[in-house]
Amino acid sequence: QSVLTQPPSVSGTPGQRVTISCSGGNFNIGSNTVNWYQQLPGAAPQLLMFSNNRRPSGVSDRFSGSKSGTSASLAIDGLQSEDGGDYYCAAWDDSLSIYVFGTGTEVTVL
Amino acid sequence: EVQLVQSGAEAKKPGDSLKISCKGSGYIFSSYWIGWVRQMPGKGLEWMGIIFPDDSGPKYSPSFQGQVTISVDKSISTAYLQWTSLKGSDSATYYCVRRSAWSLIDYWGQGTLVTVSS
Repeated sequence: QSVLTQPPSVSGTPGQRVTISCSGGNFNIGSNTVNWYQQLPGAAPQLLMFSNNRRPSGVSDRFSGSKSGTSASLAIDGLQSEDGGDYYCAAWDDSLSIYVFGTGTEVTVL
Repeated sequence: EVQLVQSGAEAKKPGDSLKISCKGSGYIFSSYWIGWVRQMPGKGLEWMGIIFPDDSGPKYSPSFQGQVTISVDKSISTAYLQWTSLKGSDSATYYCVRRSAWSLIDYWGQGTLVTVSS
């Protein structure tokens, strides 16, 4: 059901910057804002970024988001061990009339 | 504090029926949509459908239309996800979520693990 494509995994050493891409289409990312969710091991997903580049209260400014056309990306600066987990992009799809999620990216801190 | 608290893990047999729940608190329950998301073991997130507590009709993802029933009882601030005949492929963790006024899926329940096995 995933119509948003993400790389399966990214990795980095502590302190590095990693980026996660999210590729969609005209009816989802191209028409609506992108949100990102972080799912730590064994936990429920949590909102990490909304409206392309806005952080909810309490989210570290090490996380940043951007969107251009039908793609979006999430960057993590100063990677920390606690950042290890799965990350999902998401957006409403006007054609399917559902909320679509990305395929998910596993972030590994080496 | 906004909270979505889901019912506990369930172990069922194929063909059984099941209804799991999601109770909202810390906000005006009747003013926000409640949705459901499936996560199969080791897999990603899938949108199932959504319902508005003050409305009559849930909106289902085509992938789940006819497979589940979403309902709500606003008098007790609780949403439900229901199956009439479970299959092994229904084994997954199910999350309820809240949709904000700006169509943002902002809060998640803790998840309900459903295991279907003979």
